[in-house]
Amino acid sequence: ETAVFQTPNYHVTQVGNEVSFNCKQTLGHDTMYWYKQDSKKLLKIMFSYNNKQLIVNETVPRRFSPQSSDKAHLNLRIKSVEPEDSAVYLCASSLSFSGNTLYFGEGSRLIVV
Amino acid sequence: GDSVTQTEGLVTVTEGLPVKLNCTYQTTYLTIAFFWYVQYLNEAPQVLLRSSTDNKRTEHQGFHATLHKSSSSFHLQKSSAQLSDSALYYCALNQGGRALIFGTGTTVSVSP
Repeated sequence: ETAVFQTPNYHVTQVGNEVSFNCKQTLGHDTMYWYKQDSKKLLKIMFSYNNKQLIVNETVPRRFSPQSSDKAHLNLRIKSVEPEDSAVYLCASSLSFSGNTLYFGEGSRLIVV
Repeated sequence: GDSVTQTEGLVTVTEGLPVKLNCTYQTTYLTIAFFWYVQYLNEAPQVLLRSSTDNKRTEHQGFHATLHKSSSSFHLQKSSAQLSDSALYYCALNQGGRALIFGTGTTVSVSP
C-alpha cells in the first residue's frame, strides 16, 4: 500500500523551464529523500531532510533546490531544466536517518525536450 | 571511496531454476545495515531484505542473503525462480550518518 505520494507522475517540458515535484509521506517518518534514477537505472541520492533540516546535499547542479514545509513534505524544484535532467525522480522516507528501511514513492518522470 | 558493486547487469534464468545475484561492497565507514531492494516494472523500489548481522541468513519471499563481512559480500539467492521474480534488483548499504548507497542494479529475467 502506497504511503509516499508524488505528483506529478509524468512531466514533459522544454529546456530552460522551471519544474516542481511534490512529495508527501503519511508514515510519520522523520527523514525524507530525493533520489535520481537515470536512463541506466542508476539510483543517486540528491538531498535528504531530517525533521525539516537539510542533512545531505550531494553534488547536484545549483538549479536543483529542495523545499520542506514540515517533516511530511519534501518538494524538489528545478529552476531551469537541461536535457540531462531527464530522469525519474524518486522520493523516499525513513523512520530516521541511520540504518532504517527506505520507503519509495512511485516516481516522477521528467522528460526535457 | 565507498561503493556497492553488482557485477551482473542482466541475469536470465529459466523458471524453477536457482538464481544468484552478486553484491560486494567497499567502505571505510561503520556500516549499519545492508539491503536488497526490488523494483518491478513501473513500480517503486521496495525493500526485499535487510541485514545488519554478520554471518546470519536473512529470508523473505523465498529469497535469502547472508552478510559476510570477511568477504564484503551480501549475495542474493533463490532456489527456484518464478516468472513473477522478473524485476530490477538493487543491493544497498547504509552507513552511519550517510544516505543509502545503491549498487548499479541487476535485471532478472525469468523465462518459462
